[in-house]
Amino acid sequence: AQRVTQPEKLLSVFKGAPVELKCNYSYSGSPELFWYVQYSRQRLQLLLRHISRESIKGFTADLNKGETSFHLKKPFAQEEDSAMYYCALSGRDTGNQFYFGTGTSLTVIP
Amino acid sequence: NAGVTQTPKFQVLKTGQSMTLQCAQDMNHEYMSWYRQDPGMGLRLIHYSVGAGITDQGEVPNGYNVSRSTTEDFPLRLLSAAPSQTSVYFCASRHKYSNQPQHFGDGTRLSIL
Repeated sequence: AQRVTQPEKLLSVFKGAPVELKCNYSYSGSPELFWYVQYSRQRLQLLLRHISRESIKGFTADLNKGETSFHLKKPFAQEEDSAMYYCALSGRDTGNQFYFGTGTSLTVIP
Repeated sequence: NAGVTQTPKFQVLKTGQSMTLQCAQDMNHEYMSWYRQDPGMGLRLIHYSVGAGITDQGEVPNGYNVSRSTTEDFPLRLLSAAPSQTSVYFCASRHKYSNQPQHFGDGTRLSIL
């Protein structure tokens, strides 16, 4: 069963425009949700996790249990935000394994 | 701390050859995992381990073997390489609690001719 869905494979926005990367999940228990970022040919790095409720590099994400979503948002995109973004889910019902979405490639146009 | 270290970074194999991708972590993490990353398919779990001596299959285990003799090391073996195994392989580790994030290595870019 698809646990994490990222509906957009590619997303392009202009520099300074708001950006939202969508993530929907399917999970019966209490999920732990994460966003990872992968810059070109580099390792995946943790960007955000929902329990921290923090803002990293201007990005925020709110867990909406009613809509089963964990969308990533930034009010003003920067060129250095161009990267691949992965939403991931973990939880006791997954045996504490991570399930990743298929990723969204974000391009910020100068 | 070095974090998660993968070797080699690049490798080219011929069909039918075998090889081992190395992964080591120095964070005393209980959990370790191997993923493959393919265009349009995201990261798919190959095998994982919840501790030394314990391994289990993930989503795409066929053609791969793993072992976990120590907490630090989690090698991935390709038994008889096939072109379909051309991919980028990532090793990851984390503490055992579900709210702890994964830490990734730099990846191994593997091509099978």
